[in-house]
Amino acid sequence: DVKVTQSSRYLVKRTGEKVFLECVQDMDHENMFWYRQDPGLGLRLIYFSYDVKMKEKGDIPEGYSVSREKKERFSLILESASTNQTSMYLCASSRGQTGTDTQYFGPGTRLTVL
Amino acid sequence: AQKVTQAQTEISVVEKEDVTLDCVYETRDTTYYLFWYKQPPSGELVFLIRRNSFDEQNEISGRYSWNFQKSTSSFNFTITASQVVDSAVYFCALTGSWGKLQFGAGTQVVVTP
Repeated sequence: DVKVTQSSRYLVKRTGEKVFLECVQDMDHENMFWYRQDPGLGLRLIYFSYDVKMKEKGDIPEGYSVSREKKERFSLILESASTNQTSMYLCASSRGQTGTDTQYFGPGTRLTVL
Repeated sequence: AQKVTQAQTEISVVEKEDVTLDCVYETRDTTYYLFWYKQPPSGELVFLIRRNSFDEQNEISGRYSWNFQKSTSSFNFTITASQVVDSAVYFCALTGSWGKLQFGAGTQVVVTP
């Protein structure tokens, strides 16, 4: 079975803090994705990566950065957290070169920024 | 631009009733993939089905069935004989090249005993 894990289920941070969200997949997938989910807005893609050290902006990259130093790990970084980044963050991975394969999701991290 | 519309925000049914979730999509791609995911209260998105644009056969998996109609750009999902465990938010999604999934807004299904 595909397994995608995220470092925390719940996280509370203060405005201005640097926040790291970690995602690990154990299926040797090429592609990894970070989404945020907000009520009424659905899921929106923040960043994705189709190879180690490669990254591509999604639809809402502002205020975020990512790092992929190893194939199995994809980190989302909030350089200076703000209250409007309070959200549910979901990581996903998929195999394949074209990126059209099924994305498998982790359990999510619910981040609250005070 | 790609777009997925799930017009039903919430559907409430009593256990054992059937429920159909609508999904209408827009894309200019000739090759594309459609997905359904389930998000129970725990929050994790669970993959249910993937269908490519060249395969219009309907699919049945247990109590779940999917009706793909290219002519109307729809990919509807039916749960037969609903159960309380089916209570969740269901998302329809579309991908073109490079796997950038475009999600619909989701439909909340509430099944009461």
